[in-house]
Amino acid sequence: GAGVSQSPSNKVTEKGKDVELRCDPISGHTALYWYRQSLGQGLEFLIYFQGNSAPDKSGLPSDRFSAERTGGSVSTLTIQRTQQEDSAVYLCASSFGRNTNEQFFGPGTRLTVL
Amino acid sequence: QQQVKQSPQSLIVQKGGISIINCAYENTAFDYFPWYQQFPGKGPALLIAIRPDVSEKKEGRFTISFNKSAKQFSLHIMDSQPGDSATYFCAARFQGAQKLVFGQGTRLTINP
Repeated sequence: GAGVSQSPSNKVTEKGKDVELRCDPISGHTALYWYRQSLGQGLEFLIYFQGNSAPDKSGLPSDRFSAERTGGSVSTLTIQRTQQEDSAVYLCASSFGRNTNEQFFGPGTRLTVL
Repeated sequence: QQQVKQSPQSLIVQKGGISIINCAYENTAFDYFPWYQQFPGKGPALLIAIRPDVSEKKEGRFTISFNKSAKQFSLHIMDSQPGDSATYFCAARFQGAQKLVFGQGTRLTINP
């Protein structure tokens, strides 16, 4: 079966531009997470979705960051007015539901802001 | 504020040796402690996990040792192989929450 997929795999943008990153979770997974991995760092939680709602947005670093999920499936992370410090690998994960432990990660989107 | 502290940052072990990676935490509200393995260009994958009511869990060559009183847990890889070369992350999850809090990662290299 297909795992979590993310697109694009790489994105290079100029400072000040907006970007959209997409995540397709594993079919049937109701929980979806976004994390950010900066060079040489651990993963930093951004946002958690259960279905289409986001009960935990505590990790979004600023109001330039937003995310939505539609149809309980695909999610989009949007970064407005990108800054150089936004450069990182953005990872998406999904799991069966709120009481399931294992999170399955996608390969990530490497974002470079010039 | 680093809620889960991981060490060492990098580790080199000879083939057949034991690799040991350590993590420490402060918050006693954590109730689930997974270890993830990440190869270059890939997302992390769950390797093994433990809950605080258990002191040790073993799966094949991988063992988690958990010391609740010291608030520390470690990953032991027995008979380390070159294919184990990867970055390893410990993590923790707050009781009732869903997000994982990750350590900084350890880059493990197994020399043949």
